[in-house]
Amino acid sequence: DSGVTQTPKHLITATGQRVTLRCSPRSGDLSVYWYQQSLDQGLQFLIQYYNGEERAKGNILERFSAQQFPDLHSELNLSSLELGDSALYFCASSADSRSYEQYFGPGTRLTVT
Amino acid sequence: AQTVTQSQPEMSVQEAETVTLSCTYDTSESNYYLFWYKQPPSRQMILVIRQEAYKQQNATENRFSVNFQKAAKSFSLKISDSQLGDTAMYFCAFSGAAGNKLTFGGGTRVLVKP
Repeated sequence: DSGVTQTPKHLITATGQRVTLRCSPRSGDLSVYWYQQSLDQGLQFLIQYYNGEERAKGNILERFSAQQFPDLHSELNLSSLELGDSALYFCASSADSRSYEQYFGPGTRLTVT
Repeated sequence: AQTVTQSQPEMSVQEAETVTLSCTYDTSESNYYLFWYKQPPSRQMILVIRQEAYKQQNATENRFSVNFQKAAKSFSLKISDSQLGDTAMYFCAFSGAAGNKLTFGGGTRVLVKP
């Protein structure tokens, strides 16, 4: 158990809908990272937040957004969902903005039908 | 941009034998970190081992060790005394000096046979 929690574990929704994925980092960790794992794109970095502020952005679609709250949990919002958004979404956390060890949560499996 | 390449999509090994996974990367940075992550069927991403580029000594964690060749930009993982629980996808990953994201290779599926 990495200490990073993600909810829900599984999510099934229809095209065009909007969903929110939630992540709680390990106790004391200030950075949260979101990754997408899909069959065709592999594991891709989406976005990083550090202590409430966006720190780095990767291949995140405009339909996707994220935020980190004062209690340091983070949410990833996915809107206007398409079939291709079906993937495993991981959250990871690290102690600070430049920590080189990231600990991954169990992931949220999103299926768009 | 950094790229990470794992050229072996799948490998199999007999229990108690040794298997070596290859990884090459491309970067213009001189200071960086390399990692191997394991993803078993449960899909959990588990950090196996990490290597700092400025350290010449190869990292070791129990049965897992790396061969880091900085000039060749190569970072292979050796699993010794393979166990059935080692069956998983293994991902090589790179983190640059900014330390704010991991760039992953495509993964190598390892099957340990009894």
